[in-house]
Amino acid sequence: EAQVTQNPRYLITVTGKKLTVTCSQNMNHEYMSWYRQDPGLGLRQIYYSMNVEVTDKGDVPEGYKVSRKEKRNFPLILESPSPNQTSLYFCASSAVLAGGPREQYFGPGTRLTVT
Amino acid sequence: AQSVTQLDSQVPVFEEAPVELRCNYSSSVSVYLFWYVQYPNQGLQLLLKYLSGSTLVKGINGFEAEFNKSQTSFHLRKPSVHISDTAEYFCAVSGRGTSGTYKYIFGTGTRLKVLA
Repeated sequence: EAQVTQNPRYLITVTGKKLTVTCSQNMNHEYMSWYRQDPGLGLRQIYYSMNVEVTDKGDVPEGYKVSRKEKRNFPLILESPSPNQTSLYFCASSAVLAGGPREQYFGPGTRLTVT
Repeated sequence: AQSVTQLDSQVPVFEEAPVELRCNYSSSVSVYLFWYVQYPNQGLQLLLKYLSGSTLVKGINGFEAEFNKSQTSFHLRKPSVHISDTAEYFCAVSGRGTSGTYKYIFGTGTRLKVLA
């Protein structure tokens, strides 16, 4: 079954404690992306990756890191989480056409609370 | 730079009535356009997409959208809504920017509430 998996689904942590949210896809997609969803703001892209070892900033990259060492995995790292990073996070993947990424396949989401 | 505007944050409509959710975008390059739906406490799933070809695209659950290049719009329509269509709907655009970026931009969403 084609899918994007994320772990953990729920996470409560404290300010400053490093954490990693994993993301994996089994569709051999080139493009992977992380978003955060906040009420009234829609989904905002944090980082994206066009392929292995190729990553770029989205619209809200501050406070986040990513890596793409394998095509299927795209972990999101918060080195020193702060309360303003409390949010619902989605990982997504898609194939790419000449003009840009196609439709995205989304993971189930990770609800992060930073106290 | 690309951007997406969904002017209506909430749209209430009675069951079996038609509905239109508006989406306008701005981009200096050719783009691909999408509508996604998010049911309560769930992730996002694709409703429909415009990549090329016919400007009228049909999606799942009886939804359709029309790409209007001159008005830079991609409005979503359904002729008769059901209670089960209550959800949040997101318009999105992707494209290759002039600096070689491949960003994926979402609108802020429209919450459709279908009333009995």
